[in-house]
Amino acid sequence: AQSVSQHNHHVILSEAASLELGCNYSYGGTVNLFWYVQYPGQHLQLLLKYFSGDPLVKGIKGFEAEFIKSKFSFNLRKPSVQWSDTAEYFCAVNSGNYQLIWGAGTKLIIKP
Amino acid sequence: NAGVMQNPRHLVRRRGQEARLRCSPMKGHSHVYWYRQLPEEGLKFMVYLQKENIIDESGMPKERFSAEFPKEGPSILRIQQVVRGDSAAYFCATSRDSTNTGELFFGEGSRLTVL
Repeated sequence: AQSVSQHNHHVILSEAASLELGCNYSYGGTVNLFWYVQYPGQHLQLLLKYFSGDPLVKGIKGFEAEFIKSKFSFNLRKPSVQWSDTAEYFCAVNSGNYQLIWGAGTKLIIKP
Repeated sequence: NAGVMQNPRHLVRRRGQEARLRCSPMKGHSHVYWYRQLPEEGLKFMVYLQKENIIDESGMPKERFSAEFPKEGPSILRIQQVVRGDSAAYFCATSRDSTNTGELFFGEGSRLTVL
């Protein structure tokens, strides 16, 4: 069965620090990969996605993610975080259908 | 994407009572997906509906849970005879078509607490 693993449940950083959130999935076939973000009190929204092509994907708000097929990973990065990036981040995968498989989420707190 | 409306945002029920959660899709969206998030876990797919049809309910418990998406009105997730283990956040997502792209639009979730 497919699964998604997010390594860190809680991350605390200071402003301007660099961010990398890990995401690994288990599935041998073709996958679509996603990062969603949920800001405090708001709905989940799509941050970025990968279907095919360039494995380095740029998203909104300066985020990017790199798909490394050999490592089954899709880590999220941002070179310099801001206080407003405080949120919960979810990695999700599907194998070409509507059923998304989700990681448990990473709560990111940015200290001002 | 304030278009997907879920209510209530918070619901408290005692064991044995019924919980009804509503989801109004974004304008133009006719596909509804319900997900459940237990504490410290990721979202888990429950059910996928189109207008008046249940397409896939493979993630929904066989007993006590039901979902509908009538021709008129919101989609409703109904939990009968709630138990403490039903305490969770229930998210509704909608799409314009049966997308495999994962581009779902989410509501803010309904948080159910069972006392």
